[in-house]
Amino acid sequence: DAGVIQSPRHEVTEMGQEVTLRCKPISGHDYLFWYRQTMMRGLELLIYFNNNVPIDDSGMPEDRFSAKMPNASFSTLKIQPSEPRDSAVYFCASSLEGPTDTQYFGPGTRLTVL
Amino acid sequence: DAKTTQPTSMDCAEGRAANLPCNHSTISGNEYVYWYRQIHSQGPQYIIHGLKNNETNEMASLIITEDRKSSTLILPHATLRDTAVYYCIVRSRSNFGNEKLTFGTGTRLTIIP
Repeated sequence: DAGVIQSPRHEVTEMGQEVTLRCKPISGHDYLFWYRQTMMRGLELLIYFNNNVPIDDSGMPEDRFSAKMPNASFSTLKIQPSEPRDSAVYFCASSLEGPTDTQYFGPGTRLTVL
Repeated sequence: DAKTTQPTSMDCAEGRAANLPCNHSTISGNEYVYWYRQIHSQGPQYIIHGLKNNETNEMASLIITEDRKSSTLILPHATLRDTAVYYCIVRSRSNFGNEKLTFGTGTRLTIIP
């Protein structure tokens, strides 16, 4: 298995632009997680899905952030409009049995908002 | 969740065993100890987990004290590629409710050539 796949690996955009991050989980994993990592706040869980359904989005910063999972093999995290404080590394992870099961992380997307 | 306490940083000579401590004095009976690590510019990587018995896999060993209030992750023969931030996390395995895996600040382990 190729593991969790994320794209793009790097994204540089200007404030106010829409940003879409993409994730393909490990095949057969029913849970998908989006995390954000910054120096100030460390690794934070934003939202997670079970069988394509959002279960807990309490970590999503504000309405500018939205996440979807249209099918079992694809998820997006969208920021609209983006702001400089959104600059961070965004990780996607998946697991087989739930949020406390072993999670497998993707390589991350480094987002820079100018 | 039980909170964990880890040293901020540690050094270890290449080829020696790296012993990373973690205190979790408020751990409850159904909570597991998990270890993840994050190598620079990569996503976190699962290492090992255990409940009360010592565990070993191809990456590391996990030693949990009898009272379960602390544990040690052992990398038996550290290499330069083991330089990373190591996270000790205590979580129940229950999936009822909105259970989450919460990463703290971890221990920055540097392997010295």
